[in-house]
Amino acid sequence: RKEVEQDPGPFNVPEGATVAFNCTYSNSASQSFFWYRQDCRKEPKLLMSVYSSGNEDGRFTAQLNRASQYISLLIRDSKLSDSATYLCVVNTGTYKYIFGTGTRLKVLA
Amino acid sequence: DAMVIQNPRYQVTQFGKPVTLSCSQTLNHNVMYWYQQKSSQAPKLLFHYYDKDFNNEADTPDNFQSRRPNTSFCFLDIRSPGLGDAAMYLCATSRDRVGVEQYFGPGTRLTVT
Repeated sequence: RKEVEQDPGPFNVPEGATVAFNCTYSNSASQSFFWYRQDCRKEPKLLMSVYSSGNEDGRFTAQLNRASQYISLLIRDSKLSDSATYLCVVNTGTYKYIFGTGTRLKVLA
Repeated sequence: DAMVIQNPRYQVTQFGKPVTLSCSQTLNHNVMYWYQQKSSQAPKLLFHYYDKDFNNEADTPDNFQSRRPNTSFCFLDIRSPGLGDAAMYLCATSRDRVGVEQYFGPGTRLTVT
């Protein structure tokens, strides 16, 4: 079993739709969690950190479920510009940032 | 304002010809990382520096070396590039080694001919 798993997608959604991604992790001692966005042939860019209480940034909401060992990302009112790959990153220990292989999102006009 | 800068953005080298990639940061972060990312794969950590302390991943080939002459700069040296080393090389920084976000540079795309 991979340490961090994501559904690779692609998720094809129309503009304005709400879409959610999940990411599961295997190390119960994992300490910090992040969502990154990566556009084709570009670097990962931090979208948001994921806090135990959940957090929201505009149209984006992240949740952490420690009991079931997953994090989620919800995107409301999808825009064409949201099309990208979304990487889940789990910090399992000192300098250990484990990346998922990403979930591809395509927002369609 | 660019915070993590990588040069060059694109590098073409010949099989076996040494190449050096550079990374600089304006964040004054203690930790700098080098990752290798191949198409449709997750970034793979090669090594990291915590201040001046170098930490190599167990499965990083000896072909890959790194230098960090000061807080701001870090270099990746590939001594004898093979065709399998063609990839995007990403430099990242973080304030500490746990519990904090990483910030990535734009990457250097390496082609080996």
